[in-house]
This record gives sequence, C-alpha cells and structure tokens, in this order.
Amino acid sequence: EAQVTQNPRYLITVTGKKLTVTCSQNMNHEYMSWYRQDPGLGLRQIYYSMNVEVTDKGDVPEGYKVSRKEKRNFPLILESPSPNQTSLYFCASSPPPGDLTGELFFGEGSRLTVL
Amino acid sequence: DAKTTQPTSMDCAEGRAANLPCNHSTISGNEYVYWYRQIHSQGPQYIIHGLKNNETNEMASLIITEDRKSSTLILPHATLRDTAVYYCIVSCTSGTYKYIFGTGTRLKVLA
Repeated sequence: EAQVTQNPRYLITVTGKKLTVTCSQNMNHEYMSWYRQDPGLGLRQIYYSMNVEVTDKGDVPEGYKVSRKEKRNFPLILESPSPNQTSLYFCASSPPPGDLTGELFFGEGSRLTVL
Repeated sequence: DAKTTQPTSMDCAEGRAANLPCNHSTISGNEYVYWYRQIHSQGPQYIIHGLKNNETNEMASLIITEDRKSSTLILPHATLRDTAVYYCIVSCTSGTYKYIFGTGTRLKVLA
C-alpha cells in the first residue's frame, strides 16, 4: 500500500531537548516536504526536498533542520525545541511538482507539544 | 509564487452540489491547479488537479476559466462526509518548487 509514515504521532517534550520526527515514503517519490499547521494559519511549508541531498527552505524554516540522505526518508530535526514549535506537523511526498501525476501524499500527522 | 484566494467558509445542503471557488490570478502557464481536502486533523487528501481543461473524476469536477485566473471545485452531490476544509493550491514549477497552501474553505454540509 502506498503510504507516507510519520513517527512519532504524538510527542510531549520540554524546551531545549533535541528531537527528530521521522518521515518515510514507499512510492519512490523524488519530492518530499514538511508542513506545520496551526489554528487559523493553514498549512505552512517548513522545508522541502527535490531529491537526495537537495533541500530548500519553505516559508517557516527557522528552528528546524532536515536531511535527505536516502530517497525514502526525510526527517525533521528540532535541535532546541521551543514552545512556539508546538504544532501539528505533516510530511508529504510526490513526483516532481508540475508532473502530470504530481499529487501530494500526506502522512497522518505528528502532534508535537513543547513545554 | 502563485497564491490562491478562497472564501473562508461555505454551507451546502446535503444532496446538493457544492461549488467551491478559488482565485489564482497570478498563475503561470505551466502551473497546475490542485485541490485537496482535510477532514478534522487528518492529513490532507488529494481530490483533483488540472492545467487548463476541465477535469472530472469519481470525487469531483474541476472547472478552470479560460484565462486560468480562477477555478471551481464541484462536489456534485454533497454528503455529510464531505464536511471538511478544502484547499486550492498552485504548484510552482519554476524556481522554488513549492506547494503553497492557504487557509482553505471550511465547507459544512447540512442535513
């Protein structure tokens, strides 16, 4: 089954404690992306990756890091989480944007709370 | 980057057609229009996309104006399960390769 898997789904942590949210897709997609969703603000893009070793900033990259060492994985790293990073996070993957079949497939979301 | 404008919310009677408008007046010639929906806090779900011709699938129809500056998503017979937030986005294919989501339209289907 085609899917995007995120872990953990729920996490409560404390300020400053490094954490990683993993994302894996089994569709051999080139494009992967991270979004955060906050009430009233819709989905905002954090980082995206066009392929292995190719990443770029989205609209709200501050406080986050990503890496793309393998095609299937795109982890989101919070080196020193702060309470304003409390949010619902989504990972997504797709064929190259603009491709005829370039729909985004989303994971189920990771709800992060930073105390 | 092409951005989209959608109404904040809409209501629709169950069984009726739901017509959700989207404005994308700065769209470029090679950029697609995509529609997604999000039910509660689940991951957004793809509905349909198009370039310039009207499109139809088992879920919905997409009508794109001739000048491509706006589009309408049509759910032909809305059900209570169609209550969701609907996002219209434009895929940026030059330069930044971003998908820019706005705040979408909250559609409420009424019994």
